[in-house]
Amino acid sequence: KNQVEQSPQSLIILEGKNCTLQCNYTVSPFSNLRWYKQDTGRGPVSLTIMTFSENTKSNGRYTATLDADTKQSSLHITASQLSDSASYICVVTLYTSGTYKYIFGTGTRLKVLA
Amino acid sequence: GAVVSQHPSRVICKSGTSVKIECRSLDFQATTMFWYRQFPKQSLMLMATSNEGSKATYEQGVEKDKFLINHASLTLSTLTVTSAHPEDSSFYICSALNVAGVTGELFFGEGSRLTVL
Repeated sequence: KNQVEQSPQSLIILEGKNCTLQCNYTVSPFSNLRWYKQDTGRGPVSLTIMTFSENTKSNGRYTATLDADTKQSSLHITASQLSDSASYICVVTLYTSGTYKYIFGTGTRLKVLA
Repeated sequence: GAVVSQHPSRVICKSGTSVKIECRSLDFQATTMFWYRQFPKQSLMLMATSNEGSKATYEQGVEKDKFLINHASLTLSTLTVTSAHPEDSSFYICSALNVAGVTGELFFGEGSRLTVL
C-alpha cells in the first residue's frame, strides 16, 4: 500500500534553533518527493522537489535530503524564524500508466517560539 | 513561479444553498486539477480529480452529487457544494498539475474557507 508517514506530528522549538522533520514512504513506482510549507489558512507552497537520483536539495534555510534506498527523506530548517511556524507536508509522486498520483503525508506542525 | 488562483477565499452561506468555488491556473494549462478538503490540524484529503473535458473522478466516500466538479477549460475548474449543510463547513483547496513543468509539478491555490450557518 502506498503510504507516506511523517514525524514528529508536532514540534515546538525556540527561535534561532535548528530542527529536522522526517518523512518515510512506501510508494511505488516512485517519481519524486516534495516538501511543502502550509501556513494556517493558506494553500501549501512548494519548498523542494527531489527525484530518485538526487540526495539533497536546498532552498535558503531549508535543506531536504532523500535516501531512495531506505525510502526516507528529511527536511532540515536552519536558524529557525517565527515565520517558519507552519505545517510541513511531504508528498511523494508516483507515475504509472501515464498518470501522476500524489501521496500526502499527514504533516508536521512546527511552532517557533520567541 | 506558476500561480493558481482560488476564489472566493472565504464564503459564508445559509444551510440549503449552493456555493461555487473557482480554481484557475493563471500562467499554465492544467489538464488535471485536484480538489481537497482539510479539517483543522489535519492534512489535505483528496476529494476528486478533475480532468478537462471529462467527468471528475471522485475518491471513495465523496458524494459526487453533493460536490459537483466541472473542468470546462484548461485553466478553470469549479467545485460546487450543493445544498450545503453545517457539516460541509471546511477549508477547500485546489491544485493544478503543470505537465509542461518539472516532472508534473503541482501548484496549490490559496484555499477557500466555507462556513455554512
